[in-house]
Parts: sequence; C-alpha cells; structure tokens
Amino acid sequence: GENVEQHPSTLSVQEGDSAVIKCTYSDSASNYFPWYKQELGKRPQLIIDIRSNVGEKKDQRIAVTLNKTAKHFSLHITETQPEDSAVYFCAARASGGSYIPTFGRGTSLIVHP
Amino acid sequence: NAGVTQTPKFQVLKTGQSMTLQCAQDMNHEYMSWYRQDPGMGLRLIHYSVGAGITDQGEVPNGYNVSRSTTEDFPLRLLSAAPSQTSVYFCASNWAGDGATEAFFGQGTRLTVV
Repeated sequence: GENVEQHPSTLSVQEGDSAVIKCTYSDSASNYFPWYKQELGKRPQLIIDIRSNVGEKKDQRIAVTLNKTAKHFSLHITETQPEDSAVYFCAARASGGSYIPTFGRGTSLIVHP
Repeated sequence: NAGVTQTPKFQVLKTGQSMTLQCAQDMNHEYMSWYRQDPGMGLRLIHYSVGAGITDQGEVPNGYNVSRSTTEDFPLRLLSAAPSQTSVYFCASNWAGDGATEAFFGQGTRLTVV
C-alpha cells in the first residue's frame, strides 16, 4: 500500500517568513495529492490540491509543487500570518482501487507574531 | 446541506464497555471512512466503505467494527473499549473516481477510555 512521509513534524517561523512542508510517497500509481489544514480542536479541511499532470499550483499565499519522478510534493506558504498556525497534513491517493487517501503524520506550524 | 455529521463530540468510557460512534453524510458520497488521530501519528485509517453493503479494513482495524446499510450512514462500533483506544476519531466521505477529489470530515469525537 501507499506510504506517505511528511517533514518536518514541527515548524516554527516568524510572521512574514515563508514555510515549506515536504512529503514523499511510495506508490507510483498515486495521482492526486491534497493538503489539509487542521486548526486546534477543529476538523481537517482541504486548502489546496494538485494532480499528477500538473507540476505546480498556486492559490494566493499558498502553492504546491509536485515532482513525480522523485515522488515528492511540497506545500509553500509565503508571508505567513499568525492565523496560518495549525497542523498541516499531506495525502496521496491512487487512481482506482479504494480512492481513500493515505495521510502523512502532520506538521505543526507555529507562526510567531 | 449539513455535510458530514458525527456524534457524540465527547465520550468517556470505562474499560470493557462498548459504544457506537455515529456518522452520517448528506452529499450522496459513495466512499466513507473512519480515522483515528493520535499525537504525532497523523490520521490512521481504521475502516472504510466503498458503498452500501461493502466495507474493508484499513491500517488499524483491531477492536472496531463497521457496517454500511445505507449510503448515508457509517457507524463505528467499539466492541470492548481499551485505554489504547483513547483518541480523536474522524469520519470522512468523498466521491469515487478520478474526477472526485476532496474528502469531507466530520467534527470529530474525542474518546477517553478509563
């Protein structure tokens, strides 16, 4: 089955800095890579996703990149703000089969004012 | 449109007790799944269902049962609660198919087994 590794487990930045979270996956059949944000005490919610036929996707201050050859994908947050503080999960999902995503272990992002 | 609804939000059980966590979705999603979230462990898949009458095991199925009698409902049963099952549980649902994307989560159930 799919295995998703996520690093770092904790990331502390100053407001205005950039933050990068990296994930690797093992199943070459995976073709959909979502990122979820989970605020304290809340449910995970999708913030951005990317498909395997795209190398990069941007949405305002967040962007995702995908390197299919190396089987890794990254989340980039620019101009971080205190409200970006949360746990971020990457996931990978293959085409066909169960269509259930496999999640990384999460990154706790702390943005200091 | 309520999305995915989980009940209860909090629960304390004694070791050996049984209980059912309820999950319902109103989006007509084929896929439903249960995860547990423990510190540093991410979201680990317990059981999932690809449609009414069809369920399968995930990564950590021991001690849990599920059934899917309707498209809308996917309850999770703890047969004999153990302290190791203390966790936050999330139910999720999503469409199937390559065009389908986002998994929608319920609000979570914080379970403590004493």
